[in-house]
Amino acid sequence: KNQVEQSPQSLIILEGKNCTLQCNYTVSPFSNLRWYKQDTGRGPVSLTIMTFSENTKSNGRYTATLDADTKQSSLHITASQLSDSASYICVVRNAGNMLTFGGGTRLMVKP
Amino acid sequence: DGGITQSPKYLFRKEGQNVTLSCEQNLNHDAMYWYRQDPGQGLRLIYYSQIVNDFQKGDIAEGYSVSREKKESFPLTVTSAQKNPTAFYLCASSVSTSLNTEAFFGQGTRLTVV
Repeated sequence: KNQVEQSPQSLIILEGKNCTLQCNYTVSPFSNLRWYKQDTGRGPVSLTIMTFSENTKSNGRYTATLDADTKQSSLHITASQLSDSASYICVVRNAGNMLTFGGGTRLMVKP
Repeated sequence: DGGITQSPKYLFRKEGQNVTLSCEQNLNHDAMYWYRQDPGQGLRLIYYSQIVNDFQKGDIAEGYSVSREKKESFPLTVTSAQKNPTAFYLCASSVSTSLNTEAFFGQGTRLTVV
């Protein structure tokens, strides 16, 4: 069964600190993996997409990694800001074009 | 501005009532989707449509119905047969259902049964 597991479920950090969110998946055959940011009560917005051949991709203070062998991805946030408080969702697409969503990590950045 | 619009933002339904959630996009996207989001769970696919006048059931279609009479519009009806409808509903669209295309999401509708 295709599954996407994210950890931790929730995380509280101080403004300016770094953090790393994890995503493990069993989706097969793999096509790509996206990280979305979802503000409370809003729709998710794409941060980055990782394909099979990509190991690292950055988007400003966000850096995503992908290890296709171990089926793991991470999202690293550098120098966190209050506006980073949101849920971060890992979404994996298989070669049959079906999306499997992780349950998300709820990040709270405190001043 | 181009985008995908859901309305209303909040919706209250009495038990036994049908309600319809609106989703409109002006992105000229062929594919549209409806997802349900419950706390602590991943989004689950209700229905999707790849082209006008055609749609397919997702993983949790029971108790829901959709129509796709226009490319821009993909309304979702939550029927009285849906036993636990209280949730956050997200509509999305993409250029197509082909690989690597990004799904753009609306702002969501929070449905509460009272």
